[in-house]
Amino acid sequence: GENVEQHPSTLSVQEGDSAVIKCTYSDSASNYFPWYKQELGKGPQLIIDIRSNVGEKKDQRIAVTLNKTAKHFSLHITETQPEDSAVYFCAASLYGNQFYFGTGTSLTVIP
Amino acid sequence: EAGVVQSPRYKIIEKKQPVAFWCNPISGHNTLYWYLQNLGQGPELLIRYENEEAVDDSQLPKDRFSAERLKGVDSTLKIQPAELGDSAVYLCASSPGGGGEQYFGPGTRLTVT
Repeated sequence: GENVEQHPSTLSVQEGDSAVIKCTYSDSASNYFPWYKQELGKGPQLIIDIRSNVGEKKDQRIAVTLNKTAKHFSLHITETQPEDSAVYFCAASLYGNQFYFGTGTSLTVIP
Repeated sequence: EAGVVQSPRYKIIEKKQPVAFWCNPISGHNTLYWYLQNLGQGPELLIRYENEEAVDDSQLPKDRFSAERLKGVDSTLKIQPAELGDSAVYLCASSPGGGGEQYFGPGTRLTVT
């Protein structure tokens, strides 16, 4: 089955700086890659996703890039704010069926 | 639009007792997922439904876990009997299907003592 690895496990940045989280996947057939933000005591919230026919997608301060050849994708958060502090999960899926999640990155934005 | 609803939000039971979790997906979402999330880990799929059919239950420990989705809408996940190792957050998610986005509920935090 699919194996998703996520790095780093923890990340601290100063407010206003950028944060980058990276994931790799093993199954070249995977074609859908969502990112989730999970705050304490809440369920994961979909923040951005990308499909395999696209190399990059941006939504305000958040962007995701995908390199199908290398089988890795990354989340970029610019101009970080304290409310960005949370655990972020990447996932890989084939046609939105079974989702395989990374182990999460705990992001702390220091005011 | 209402999101995925789960209840209860918290449950504390003694080992060997039964417990049930309920999920109401987003209206119109045909695909429903139950996940297990241990502390510091990503969600792990337990079972996936397409309408009322369980299409992937390979990770569901069938000796003690059961699930149903009658009429293809609400779903219930049951554990009987619960063990100490079942303490975790149980997440429900739904998707419109056909490769659509997956949305999670707030989860049920289970503590087995």
